Amino acid sequence: DQQVKQNSPSLSVQEGRISILNCDYTNSMFDYFLWYKKYPAEGPTFLISISSIKDKNEDGRFTVFLNKSAKHLSLHIVPSQPGDSAVYFCAASATQGGSEKLVFGKGTKLTVNP
Amino acid sequence: GAGVSQSPRYKVAKRGQDVALRCDPISGHVSLFWYQQALGQGPEFLTYFQNEAQLDKSGLPSDRFFAERPEGSVSTLKIQRTQQEDSAVYLCASSLKGAMGDTQYFGPGTRLTVL
Repeated sequence: DQQVKQNSPSLSVQEGRISILNCDYTNSMFDYFLWYKKYPAEGPTFLISISSIKDKNEDGRFTVFLNKSAKHLSLHIVPSQPGDSAVYFCAASATQGGSEKLVFGKGTKLTVNP
Repeated sequence: GAGVSQSPRYKVAKRGQDVALRCDPISGHVSLFWYQQALGQGPEFLTYFQNEAQLDKSGLPSDRFFAERPEGSVSTLKIQRTQQEDSAVYLCASSLKGAMGDTQYFGPGTRLTVL
């Protein structure tokens, strides 16, 4: 069973507009969430994270929102740029469980059109 | 080094062969992780080390998979008697302090193809 779900395999947006990538999780023990960005033939690159004690974290053009009651998080990119085109992975960990392992979703491929 | 490095970048093996994949973490990083990424999927956890101690190997799919980090730095993932279902990208990641919530930094991966 997938504990972290990214239900949109792909998303296409126009340059300058907002990109919103969504992620749902089922394990209530997850308390730390991350977004990674991946270009072809490269490893995932850390983008932004959020702890479950917060509901929002912002870093430049990137903002992550966490809705614990809905077990849902989203990544907002504004304004979107062509260089943002990549696969975005949502990941979660249960830090209080004593393990640092990350559980990933299947990813959403974002295409930003010039 | 500047980042996590992995070698080889690509490996083709015949079914039944043994393979060894190497990971060089960021210097000074305490924790080291191995993940397996099948085509069209997200990375899946295999195992992790804190220094030389293997603290969690719950993700290793079978006893054909073995990982070690004998001196607490470089790690090797070994797969014995490879099968076609082992074909995947194997990702290594490291984190600095081994503390909860530490950012994991990934290497470029080794793409293993088993014929």
